[in-house]
Amino acid sequence: NAGVTQTPKFQVLKTGQSMTLQCAQDMNHNSMYWYRQDPGMGLRLIYYSASEGTTDKGEVPNGYNVSRLNKREFSLRLESAAPSQTSVYFCASRRIRDRKETQYFGPGTRLLVL
Amino acid sequence: DAKTTQPNSMESNEEEPVHLPCNHSTISGTDYIHWYRQLPSQGPEYVIHGLTSNVNNRMASLAIAEDRKSSTLILHRATLRDAAVYYCILRLFNNNDMRFGAGTRLTVKP
Repeated sequence: NAGVTQTPKFQVLKTGQSMTLQCAQDMNHNSMYWYRQDPGMGLRLIYYSASEGTTDKGEVPNGYNVSRLNKREFSLRLESAAPSQTSVYFCASRRIRDRKETQYFGPGTRLLVL
Repeated sequence: DAKTTQPNSMESNEEEPVHLPCNHSTISGTDYIHWYRQLPSQGPEYVIHGLTSNVNNRMASLAIAEDRKSSTLILHRATLRDAAVYYCILRLFNNNDMRFGAGTRLTVKP
C-alpha cells in the first residue's frame, strides 16, 4: 500500500494563478482532510470530506475549494493564489476501527506564492 | 474547544527515557487525548491515544492523570529518530475537527 500520496511535491505560483493539489489514498478510508502548516505552527484544517460526495469547511477554508472525486481522491483548488497561501499542505485520511481512530498523512506539498 | 499546553521544546540524551507533558485542564469527559508526532519534512504520524486509563503500544506509553487534567507521553528509550515535534490533541471520538497546537520540539542528543 502506498498510503496517502500527494502531487506535486513542490510548486511555485505567481499571485492570481490557480492550481489544484491532488491527494489519493489506497486504504479504503471514508474520511479525508486537507490541512495547511505555516512555519513554526501546527496544522490547521482547511476542508474535510466525511464520506464520498460530502465536503465541509474546517478552520481556515477561505480562498480554497475542494472536490471529493471518488472514495480514493480528494483535491484542493486555489482559484486565485495569494502570498498568504504560501504554506505546506498536507492531505490525510482517517481509519476508525474498534473505537480507535487514526489519521494517516501524506508527505505534503510545499507551495510558494510570489 | 478544550485547549492543551505543552512546553515549546525539550532535550533528551539518546537511549534515555523521555517524558513529554501536556496540560489540558478544561478537558471534557468525552475528550480523547491523542498524540501525534511530526518528523522533519514529513507529515504527522499517529503515536498513541487514550481516554482514562494508561495506554502502551510499541512506540510509547501514555500516562493520564486521575483527574485527566494532564497527561504524559513516555518514550522509554529515545533514539535519534525520535527527534520530532510532538503534538498533544484533545478530540471527541469521530469528530472531524482536529486542532494542532505548536507542539513540543524534542531534540535527542547522541
